[in-house]
Amino acid sequence: ETGVTQTPRHLVMGMTNKKSLKCEQHLGHNAMYWYKQSAKKPLELMFVYSLEERVENNSVPSRFSPECPNSSHLFLHLHTLQPEDSALYLCASSSSARSNSPLHFGNGTRLTVT
Amino acid sequence: LAKTTQPISMDSYEGQEVNITCSHNNIATNDYITWYQQFPSQGPRFIIQGYKTKVTNEVASLFIPADRKSSTLSLPRVSLSDTAVYYCLVSLTGTASKLTFGTGTRLQVTL
Repeated sequence: ETGVTQTPRHLVMGMTNKKSLKCEQHLGHNAMYWYKQSAKKPLELMFVYSLEERVENNSVPSRFSPECPNSSHLFLHLHTLQPEDSALYLCASSSSARSNSPLHFGNGTRLTVT
Repeated sequence: LAKTTQPISMDSYEGQEVNITCSHNNIATNDYITWYQQFPSQGPRFIIQGYKTKVTNEVASLFIPADRKSSTLSLPRVSLSDTAVYYCLVSLTGTASKLTFGTGTRLQVTL
């Protein structure tokens, strides 16, 4: 149990589907993150939320739409994805987005786009 | 951004001490150095963090020289279960959201 729970663990979707990834943290943290990890590539930071407000958006295509309804929950809404979007999507949290506090990661959602 | 450089891979036998060095030549005054461990199909897991000199916890030690341009993660007496990818990160001053993961070091431990 990492304190950060992601669902589903695996997802297969077609390019025309709409799906959502869910993340929940039980650590009382104020910042939450979405990272993408493609095969043989470093983790790429996608979005950062601090106290439910988006503070970072690293030039991510609009087919990825994040939502943070409260400090414990984070969603990533997906629509009209491409096969190259297949990757491990990791959610993380930290006590603050403006400190050196360590990141706590979930175990990710393995996404396959067909 | 403070870029980091680590060896791509390392091999070790079980029971040995493993030292993984990370270079971060343009580290800023207020930056901390953090190490993570990642197993396949799992998220990275925090191992240790430090600012200067030496930090030790139940899992590892972190050695940081006075100029802070490099750091060394030391894993005592590794076991097969320590086979993983290890990432060294340096945070941009005051902004954890700028944490940049490099390619990491893939450690393979064998009998």
